Amino acid sequence: EPEVTQTPSHQVTQMGQEVILRCVPISNHLYFYWYRQILGQKVEFLVSFYNNEISEKSEIFDDQFSVERPDGSNFTLKIRSTKLEDSAMYFCASSVRQGKNIQYFGAGTRLSVL
Amino acid sequence: AQKITQTQPGMFVQEKEAVTLDCTYDTSDPSYGLFWYKQPSSGEMIFLIYQGSYDQQNATEGRYSLNFQKARKSANLVISASQLGDSAMYFCAMRGYNNAGNMLTFGGGTRLMVKP
Repeated sequence: EPEVTQTPSHQVTQMGQEVILRCVPISNHLYFYWYRQILGQKVEFLVSFYNNEISEKSEIFDDQFSVERPDGSNFTLKIRSTKLEDSAMYFCASSVRQGKNIQYFGAGTRLSVL
Repeated sequence: AQKITQTQPGMFVQEKEAVTLDCTYDTSDPSYGLFWYKQPSSGEMIFLIYQGSYDQQNATEGRYSLNFQKARKSANLVISASQLGDSAMYFCAMRGYNNAGNMLTFGGGTRLMVKP
């Protein structure tokens, strides 16, 4: 069964460093998303991406964040200068189209900022 | 804007019994979708079931069913014949169809523990 793949599963970084979280969405999906979940809290939307551009972003997704689809398969989230409060589980999701448009999630990347 | 409320932070259920996880929502969108996801201790988010706001019948997927009461703005998940593997966090989420980005809004989750 096709699945969303995220790497790495756990990333440890020093405050102020740049990190790139990687995702391979399901191959025939057209919509891509990033969400985050701070430990013990709700899952929060960060950004959605369609047709090589951001279609929606939340207040959390400030200038420190960027997304890119560098090739036909990968979808990345970059955090330019990590802060302690960026420590969270980051989920990538993808969906095939509008309508029911069920979003399928990857297993997540746990980001720990020290 | 959408809001999802899950009022049960934790629940116990005996193996093989049915359990209902509550979810209420608020939205100004006339058309929307409701979703339930399962998050086991390993951390991944697993899609369980979907209900569209204009669907005439309550959604069912195997042992999962959704008790959708539109007038009360509730979308409770019913798990029949609970199994030990059902122990996990369960998140209710919704998406309004008026937003271009398809963002999901999640509730705070319910931790379900199945007792043998």
